[in-house]
Amino acid sequence: DAGVIQSPRHEVTEMGQEVTLRCKPISGHNSLFWYRQTMMRGLELLIYFNNNVPIDDSGMPEDRFSAKMPNASFSTLKIQPSEPRDSAVYFCASSPMGQDSPLHFGNGTRLTVT
Amino acid sequence: AQSVTQLDSHVSVSEGTPVLLRCNYSSSYSPSLFWYVQHPNKGLQLLLKYTSAATLVKGINGFEAEFKKSETSFHLTKPSAHMSDAAEYFCVVVPWGGYNKLIFGAGTRLAVHP
Repeated sequence: DAGVIQSPRHEVTEMGQEVTLRCKPISGHNSLFWYRQTMMRGLELLIYFNNNVPIDDSGMPEDRFSAKMPNASFSTLKIQPSEPRDSAVYFCASSPMGQDSPLHFGNGTRLTVT
Repeated sequence: AQSVTQLDSHVSVSEGTPVLLRCNYSSSYSPSLFWYVQHPNKGLQLLLKYTSAATLVKGINGFEAEFKKSETSFHLTKPSAHMSDAAEYFCVVVPWGGYNKLIFGAGTRLAVHP
């Protein structure tokens, strides 16, 4: 298996622009997570899907952030409009459902908003 | 409430010497615990997991960790460090019934010197 695939690896954009991050989870995994990693706050859970349905989006910073999972093999995280404080590394992770199932992380998208 | 504390933000060892990365947790029940490793510009990779079976858990790349309930600790060790072990390590607590709400430690950056 190729693992969790994220694109792009790097994104540089100007403040106010729309940014879309993409994720392909591991086949057969029915839970998908979006995390954000910064030096100041470490890893933060943004949103969690189970069977393509958003279960918990309490970590989404504000209405500028939205996430979708139209099918079991694809998810997007969109920021519109982007701001410099959104600069971070965004990780997608997937997991088979279960209490002790670890998360499998993608390599992340490094977002820089100027 | 559950929490996890990594006692050292940075650890530096010489190649061939033992590694000890310390983690303490707080939980009202016996939790599941993971250790993840993150190499530069990569996602997090599972090293090992404890799920209330054997208290000494062996992971990949020669790492192991021992769950000590009396000390509420889950320290990560390796007998002999390799240069390739240089990375950031995260101790993670899995809340009961909340595997979608992993609690990450702040991370320990391991440096390995020749």
